[in-house]
Amino acid sequence: AQKITQTQPGMFVQEKEAVTLDCTYDTSDPSYGLFWYKQPSSGEMIFLIYQGSYDQQNATEGRYSLNFQKARKSANLVISASQLGDSAMYFCAMRDDQTGANNLFFGTGTRLTVIP
Amino acid sequence: DAGVTQSPTHLIKTRGQQVTLRCSPISGHKSVSWYQQVLGQGPQFIFQYYEKEERGRGNFPDRFSARQFPNYSSELNVNALLLGDSALYLCASSKIAGGGETQYFGPGTRLLVL
Repeated sequence: AQKITQTQPGMFVQEKEAVTLDCTYDTSDPSYGLFWYKQPSSGEMIFLIYQGSYDQQNATEGRYSLNFQKARKSANLVISASQLGDSAMYFCAMRDDQTGANNLFFGTGTRLTVIP
Repeated sequence: DAGVTQSPTHLIKTRGQQVTLRCSPISGHKSVSWYQQVLGQGPQFIFQYYEKEERGRGNFPDRFSARQFPNYSSELNVNALLLGDSALYLCASSKIAGGGETQYFGPGTRLLVL
């Protein structure tokens, strides 16, 4: 069964500094996708970045990068040059590509607070 | 382009009642998924629909049902509401089901069951 673990309930970072949010996953399927979403207090889940299990390079999207270590089954999110607007909940999610469905399995999230 | 829209934004119901939540996907997206997010947890998958057919179902009781319409919008119905159904209900759309497509979420419907 698929499982996503986020061990950091809360993280603090100084404005303009970089921060790493941890995510480990467990699956026996060779094909899967890993996602990070941001959820502000308004509730909407905002897509940040995607990494496919067969991708050779780590994904990057602007200030977001995904540190993908397949052998360790980890997919950490790195946010560079933190901004006050980055304060939110961050969820790591995995999609099982084998079933033909598109459902995501989410971790419990990490609350990031950016300090001015 | 408009994102995923959901209605209503907030809803208060009492135990035993029935509720219908609505979702309109991004234009061009044919797949809609529903998730339940209880306070303090990550979203949990409820249903996925693609081309009006159910493609996946999560571990939820039969009180939960959904459907997709020819214009790809979707409804989630919950019967015989329980206090534990209080949650944020999120709808997500993608171009197709499976195939590596990213899901984009709407703002959610906050349901409170008293």
